[in-house]
Amino acid sequence: EAQVTQNPRYLITVTGKKLTVTCSQNMNHEYMSWYRQDPGLGLRQIYYSMNVEVTDKGDVPEGYKVSRKEKRNFPLILESPSPNQTSLYFCASSPRTSGGLYNEQFFGPGTRLTVL
Amino acid sequence: AQSVTQLGSHVSVSEGALVLLRCNYSSSVPPYLFWYVQYPNQGLQLLLKYTTGATLVKGINGFEAEFKKSETSFHLTKPSAHMSDAAEYFCAVSERAGNQFYFGTGTSLTVIP
Repeated sequence: EAQVTQNPRYLITVTGKKLTVTCSQNMNHEYMSWYRQDPGLGLRQIYYSMNVEVTDKGDVPEGYKVSRKEKRNFPLILESPSPNQTSLYFCASSPRTSGGLYNEQFFGPGTRLTVL
Repeated sequence: AQSVTQLGSHVSVSEGALVLLRCNYSSSVPPYLFWYVQYPNQGLQLLLKYTTGATLVKGINGFEAEFKKSETSFHLTKPSAHMSDAAEYFCAVSERAGNQFYFGTGTSLTVIP
C-alpha cells in the first residue's frame, strides 16, 4: 500500500530534550515536506526537500532541522524543543516534475507533539 | 510569498443545502490550486486540483471548484451537503516556478441534520 508513515504518532516531552520525528514514504517521490498545523493558522511549511541531499527552508524553519540522506526518509529534528513547538506535525510527499509542484501531496497521519 | 485567504473559519449548512467554501490567492500569475479535506484525527487528502485547461474542476465526493482568474479565486462548492461532508477544508497553492506549497487557514464545515 502506497503510504507516508510517521513515528511517533504522539509524543510528550520536556523543554530542551532533543527529539526526532521520522517520516518515510514508499512511493519513490522526489519531493518531501514537513508542516505544522496550529488552530487558526492552518498548515505552515517548515522545511522541504526536492531530492536526496537537497533541503530548503519553508516559512517557519526556526528551531527545526531536517536531513534527506535517502529518498524515502525525511526526519524532522528538534534539537532543543520549546513549548511554542507544541503542535500537530504532518509529513507529506509528492512526485515532482520539471513543470513545478502540480501533483498531489500525500500526507502522513500526523504526529501530535506536546512540549512541557 | 503567496498568501491564501479562506473567508469564514466556520461554515454551517443544513443537510441537502449548497456548500460554498471560499478561497482567494494573491499571485498575479495563476498558480496551481488545490483543495484538501481533513477528517477528524486524520491527515489531509486531495479533493481536487486545478493546473491548466478547464476552469471548472470536478473532484471526489461530488465537490467541484471554479478557477476565476479575474477574481483570483478558487471557491469550492457542492450542490447538496451530506452529513459525511463535515470536516476541515484547506485551500492550497503552489507557484508554477516555485518549490513551496502555501495553505489557507482552513474552514471547518458543520452539516446540520
